[in-house]
Amino acid sequence: AAGVIQSPRHLIKEKRETATLKCYPIPRHDTVYWYQQGPGQDPQFLISFYEKMQSDKGSIPDRFSAQQFSDYHSELNMSSLELGDSALYFCASSLMRKPEFGYTFGSGTRLTVV
Amino acid sequence: QKEVEQDPGPLSVPEGAIVSLNCTYSNSAFQYFMWYRQYSRKGPELLMYTYSSGNKEDGRFTAQVDKSSKYISLFIRDSQPSDSATYLCAMKRGTGGFKTIFGAGTRLFVKA
Repeated sequence: AAGVIQSPRHLIKEKRETATLKCYPIPRHDTVYWYQQGPGQDPQFLISFYEKMQSDKGSIPDRFSAQQFSDYHSELNMSSLELGDSALYFCASSLMRKPEFGYTFGSGTRLTVV
Repeated sequence: QKEVEQDPGPLSVPEGAIVSLNCTYSNSAFQYFMWYRQYSRKGPELLMYTYSSGNKEDGRFTAQVDKSSKYISLFIRDSQPSDSATYLCAMKRGTGGFKTIFGAGTRLFVKA
């Protein structure tokens, strides 16, 4: 079965550079979530989209922005990168009318800022 | 204070043991409770999903929710080395676009 696809798997950027992370949700899933997980930390909610509209916002820095496109894929754009942005970034998708299925997570993008 | 508290462990048990994992929470609005399992360098995967108080059993796994105490548990019977992973409790206020809040995760090691 198709899963949530994230790209790239690994990304190394320098401070003050820009990064774009991509997420392709499971087909027919209508909601996408972005989480940031630091080493040994719980996933921190960043932002979510339902049917291409932003549905909730968490602790996402102003330097970050995200959107969901007409084909339901989502991109997380990160500018003026800081060392503290180094983390695993997960995208998850779900079907709103089937909450009992929970989220399906991608394998994540590991961002390293040097 | 974090909304969801979970002991990070690590918890080390012998194969065949019964494992008990727990979380407490502070927001009484939470109604949906989940347990996710996360293997190293992988995304979390849904293990159990419960609504409101009560028990739910699925194979070797049993989830319990006590809303009056704001306490949830996951029991693993006959634990196997393949159960070695980080277990994250998670909860949300409602369906729809409500975000899921995760606990810190408990690292479990099952020794053969």
